[in-house]
Amino acid sequence: AQTVTQSQPEMSVQEAETVTLSCTYDTSESDYYLFWYKQPPSRQMILVIRQEAYKQQNATENRFSVNFQKAAKSFSLKISDSQLGDAAMYFCAYRSAGPHSGSARQLTFGSGTQLTVLP
Amino acid sequence: EAGVAQSPRYKIIEKRQSVAFWCNPISGHATLYWYQQILGQGPKLLIQFQNNGVVDDSQLPKDRFSAERLKGVDSTLKIQPAKLEDSAVYLCASSLARRNEQFFGPGTRLTVL
Repeated sequence: AQTVTQSQPEMSVQEAETVTLSCTYDTSESDYYLFWYKQPPSRQMILVIRQEAYKQQNATENRFSVNFQKAAKSFSLKISDSQLGDAAMYFCAYRSAGPHSGSARQLTFGSGTQLTVLP
Repeated sequence: EAGVAQSPRYKIIEKRQSVAFWCNPISGHATLYWYQQILGQGPKLLIQFQNNGVVDDSQLPKDRFSAERLKGVDSTLKIQPAKLEDSAVYLCASSLARRNEQFFGPGTRLTVL
């Protein structure tokens, strides 16, 4: 079974600064997706960024980028020019991409990192 | 486009009582998911529907939890009887198909006293 580990329960960053959230995962598969989700106090999970394992190029979405190290099974999220609205719980998640059915396609989440943005 | 709707947003019940949650997915989304998120943890999948059929319910405590998706649209998740450890946020998500991005609803926060 796949596992996702987020070793930083809490992080803080000054507004306009850069912060990196860490995530490691364990899998025996070669074809999969990795995601970062944001969950503000409203509780609604919002997709921030996704990475396909077969792509060597790191994904970017505006101020959000990832550092995907497949051999090391590491998937960190970098937030540049942090804004007050970035404050939230961030979850790293894994999903198999192979020709499977049922539970192999489910999202497996880490335990989350609570990000505080200081004005 | 309207998002995933869930109700109620909050529910407080006594242990051994019953409770039901409702989810209306995004129009046209064939796949629907129910997750349980205990405080301080990431969401855990309880059950996954493809149209009105169950694809995966391996982590659903079937002695007390049940779910249905009549007509392949709305879904209800029921707990009967509730235990203290069922206190959590219950998230519903939907996707066009199993391989597509999941869109989440705002969740229902359940407190069992």
